[in-house]
Amino acid sequence: GQQLNQSPQSMFIQEGEDVSMNCTSSSIFNTWLWYKQEPGEGPVLLIALYKAGELTSNGRLTAQFGITRKDSFLNISASIPSDVGIYFCAGRRGQTGANNLFFGTGTRLTVIP
Amino acid sequence: GAVVSQHPSRVICKSGTSVKIECRSLDFQATTMFWYRQFPKQSLMLMATSNEGSKATYEQGVEKDKFLINHASLTLSTLTVTSAHPEDSSFYICSASFGAGSSTDTQYFGPGTRLTVL
Repeated sequence: GQQLNQSPQSMFIQEGEDVSMNCTSSSIFNTWLWYKQEPGEGPVLLIALYKAGELTSNGRLTAQFGITRKDSFLNISASIPSDVGIYFCAGRRGQTGANNLFFGTGTRLTVIP
Repeated sequence: GAVVSQHPSRVICKSGTSVKIECRSLDFQATTMFWYRQFPKQSLMLMATSNEGSKATYEQGVEKDKFLINHASLTLSTLTVTSAHPEDSSFYICSASFGAGSSTDTQYFGPGTRLTVL
């Protein structure tokens, strides 16, 4: 299957710091999504990006769809303890009938109060 | 809105037995449901895609005879792990979408089912 690589694999930051993580692929995707997963739970959608170059915010979260369609980044500003979790990017080719998501390797975020 | 539930949340079974996991869309009709498997500290891997009333489409390497998927209604899909073995122990997560397969369709994920095979 498609491999989406996320970096960094894990982050330990102080509360209040900003966070940046990215996701790269060898293939083009038409949709990029960012999810957060907490232990023992399913992933929750944070931000969806549908257009190359698109920059979208959701509260303290900002994500961008790379112009090459092969990458995306997620920024979290002024982190708080409840931001702890695993952040996954996911890509979808987006053609009708091909709704499959390919998930990244994940970035584990720890916020130190 | 767009809530997806799974039952059970945890199951422990003996090797050789079969286990059924249910995935329900509670407040919408899901035209498509997806089943994922997630091993500890790993990402989600798509196992199969199912549309209501038709056979599931399995990803390469996923045994269709071992992982039986039934999507009998627009709000329910089941995954049955047949003759489970310890290597089938994993976190199984379903998702559901109600679009027509366009690029803006959103998948809503269930809370997952932790399967442990002894």
